[in-house]
Amino acid sequence: DADVTQTPRNRITKTGKRIMLECSQTKGHDRMYWYRQDPGLGLRLIYYSFDVKDINKGEISDGYSVSRQAQAKFSLSLESAIPNQTALYFCATSDLRGTTQYFGPGTRLTVL
Amino acid sequence: GQQVMQIPQYQHVQEGEDFTTYCNSSTTLSNIQWYKQRPGGHPVFLIQLVKSGEVKKQKRLTFQFGEAKKNSSLHITATQTTDVGTYFCAGHGNSKLTFGKGITLSVRP
Repeated sequence: DADVTQTPRNRITKTGKRIMLECSQTKGHDRMYWYRQDPGLGLRLIYYSFDVKDINKGEISDGYSVSRQAQAKFSLSLESAIPNQTALYFCATSDLRGTTQYFGPGTRLTVL
Repeated sequence: GQQVMQIPQYQHVQEGEDFTTYCNSSTTLSNIQWYKQRPGGHPVFLIQLVKSGEVKKQKRLTFQFGEAKKNSSLHITATQTTDVGTYFCAGHGNSKLTFGKGITLSVRP
């Protein structure tokens, strides 16, 4: 079984809809991250969490919110989706040293 | 803030040719990591370099960390079609990991 899972894997939605992407991990890591990937722009950090009570904004947090429901779960919400949020979204985890990151399989989101 | 740069973003090589790509940081790093993302896949950790001037090898891949700990290189000897994908470097500094934009390698058989 995969250590980091993401649901859904693909989602098509309409402008203005609320969307939640979920991430679960069985690695026992405290640190979790959400990235988006766009062609030519690489991986950009949206939000990160170092433990259940810790939430931090990344470089592109506007239009997004997160919830760390438990050590193993970190969800990303788009309150009112817009077309330029169409992208590939990755969840990642790392241990306390915060070095190596382990990525989930990704969620491809399309906002029409 | 910390910036990690990878240029160019795309490179095409003939199978069997060698390939080298570079990664440059605006600040001194505590370590640098390399990840590979296969087409349709997710980034997967390849290696971490910590010491100034460190060189590590994984089969046909050679990774080097610069003496000033601000740059790194990845060299692939005799590329194969299995090497296709996007290679990201990520610099770790000030408790933060910053990814470069990646270089997408294509290999002509």
